[in-house]
Amino acid sequence: GNSVTQMEGPVTLSEEAFLTINCTYTATGYPSLFWYVQYPGEGLQLLLKATKADDKGSNKGFEATYRKETTSFHLEKGSVQVSDSAVYFCALRPNTGFQKLVFGTGTRLLVSP
Amino acid sequence: SAVISQKPSRDICQRGTSLTIQCQVDSQVTMMFWYRQQPGQSLTLIATANQGSEATYESGFVIDKFPISRPNLTFSTLTVSNMSPEDSSIYLCSVDLDGGNTIYFGEGSWLTVV
Repeated sequence: GNSVTQMEGPVTLSEEAFLTINCTYTATGYPSLFWYVQYPGEGLQLLLKATKADDKGSNKGFEATYRKETTSFHLEKGSVQVSDSAVYFCALRPNTGFQKLVFGTGTRLLVSP
Repeated sequence: SAVISQKPSRDICQRGTSLTIQCQVDSQVTMMFWYRQQPGQSLTLIATANQGSEATYESGFVIDKFPISRPNLTFSTLTVSNMSPEDSSIYLCSVDLDGGNTIYFGEGSWLTVV
């Protein structure tokens, strides 16, 4: 079946550090891949997406590249800020059959000044 | 994207009561989804609601507990019936946009059952 695996958190970084949150997936075919972010006390916001292999999604300094050969979609940011502290969810959506989102367990990021 | 509004945003409910959550979208959408996020957990799909048809429930969720209405292409409701403390969660409405490519979420309804 379809599944998403994320690195466990929390990830604790100092401001301006480099961020990587690992995400790998299992799916048949070629799903679309997403990163969502949930700030404290808020709902989910779409951060970025990629719909085919080698696509790079980017937004607010965050990037992720759809790597079919490694079935990965790792989230990166060159210099994190305190305001990036949130929970980040990786998700996939199959492009065939019933197209529901499949979420990873989420990774909490804590950025200190 | 779209503006997805949920009401109530937060509520504290007595066990045994029921609460209806409303979801309003500022554009017409075919597919709407209801998710639950229990404290500290990831999201779980409750059901898919398409206008003009009965909602489709995921394994572990039943219509008697979570009745859903979808009267038109911009609105849906989810009722959490006969609530217990285990129903304390964030309930999120989401919609399918960008030609079926992307799912966007509302801000969620944060329910605490006491």
